[in-house]
Amino acid sequence: EVQLVESGGGLVQPGRSLRLSCAASGFSFDDYAMHWVRQAPGKGLEWVSGISWNSGSIGYADSVKGRFTISRDNAKNLLYLQMNSLRPEDTALYYCAKGRSTGSLESSDYWGQGTLVTVSS
Amino acid sequence: EIVMTQSPATLSVSPGERATLSCRASQSVYSNLAWYQQKPGQAPRLLIYGASTRATGFPARFSGSGSGTEFTLTISSLQSEDFAVYYCQQYNNWPPTFGGGTKVEIK
Repeated sequence: EVQLVESGGGLVQPGRSLRLSCAASGFSFDDYAMHWVRQAPGKGLEWVSGISWNSGSIGYADSVKGRFTISRDNAKNLLYLQMNSLRPEDTALYYCAKGRSTGSLESSDYWGQGTLVTVSS
Repeated sequence: EIVMTQSPATLSVSPGERATLSCRASQSVYSNLAWYQQKPGQAPRLLIYGASTRATGFPARFSGSGSGTEFTLTISSLQSEDFAVYYCQQYNNWPPTFGGGTKVEIK
């Protein structure tokens, strides 16, 4: 059974940093691209970042480019999102999602339950 | 970036009726279009990929069609468990983008 478990969310002040983690199990982690998608309270889905199976292809939404960094550790089946210079508009539930293939431009067939990030003073 | 526009924002349907949801892309995404279902308090679930391929676990009453810039999700006979928000997503161009969603509610 595919499982994705996010962690690392919390309350943080504007301008500070936070690192999210996603622990994956139940599939060959190093065979698939992975994504972070967020959802602000009461709002729709926003794709944040994606990484190919071997970290060779990485993409970011314009809203986070230069502030967020995605990475993965295939030996530990972990996906990360380093979030710097956080802003109130980054407040959202952050989902980890598995890509349907190795490439980083694909739909996502499994999702975690999300970790909540609140940016507020 | 490609803008995805979904309509209507809210669709009120009686159980057993047909529901038709639309998704339009600002430029062609070929068949690189997915639909997701999200129920309150839950993570999204992949429903359709490749514009028309149903994902595992969804019954045949769900169908997707279209290519290029115009796409449709049809639920042939709504069941109680189908009332949810549905999002389309293009994954043809960077960055992959979602539509604003269509809420399917009970009439």
